[in-house]
Amino acid sequence: DVKVTQSSRYLVKRTGEKVFLECVQDMDHENMFWYRQDPGLGLRLIYFSYDVKMKEKGDIPEGYSVSREKKERFSLILESASTNQTSMYLCASSFNRGIYEKLFFGSGTQLSVL
Amino acid sequence: AQSVTQLDSHVSVSEGTPVLLRCNYSSSYSPSLFWYVQHPNKGLQLLLKYTSAATLVKGINGFEAEFKKSETSFHLTKPSAHMSDAAEYFCVVSDASNTGKLIFGQGTTLQVKP
Repeated sequence: DVKVTQSSRYLVKRTGEKVFLECVQDMDHENMFWYRQDPGLGLRLIYFSYDVKMKEKGDIPEGYSVSREKKERFSLILESASTNQTSMYLCASSFNRGIYEKLFFGSGTQLSVL
Repeated sequence: AQSVTQLDSHVSVSEGTPVLLRCNYSSSYSPSLFWYVQHPNKGLQLLLKYTSAATLVKGINGFEAEFKKSETSFHLTKPSAHMSDAAEYFCVVSDASNTGKLIFGQGTTLQVKP
């Protein structure tokens, strides 16, 4: 089975801190994604990546950046955390870009910014 | 642009009764549609997907969905609810740009009463 591992299940940070969320997949998938999940809003795409060192903005990239130095690892960076970034963050991966490709999700990181 | 609307934010059924979770989509092309499920404190898991091969799609755990182009709907059903079906369900459409991006609905929380 594909495994997508997010480094932390719960994280508490202070306003203005730089925050790193790490995600690792073990199935050599090309695509990796970062979503945030908020009640009543579903999942919204922050950034995604097709390949090492490649990144594309999703629907809500403001306040975030990403890094993909190795194929299996995709990091989400909050340069200066704010309270409106308190959310559940979900990492996902897929084998390739096809429209029928399913995503494999990690268990999520619940981030609280105080 | 593609979008999905889940018509109910919360559905409550009794164990052993049918389940209906409603989803309408908007797409400028022939869409690829999915249902994902998220159990408490677990990652999202694919239930089923529509890929134009057949309008009635069977998924895991006894769920199925029917693609109705004339109604732009992709409702999820199950004949008999089980307590373990209590979860949040997301209707999802694939982005037309063939990037592998998925667009999520707002989610429907299914409550199953004994």
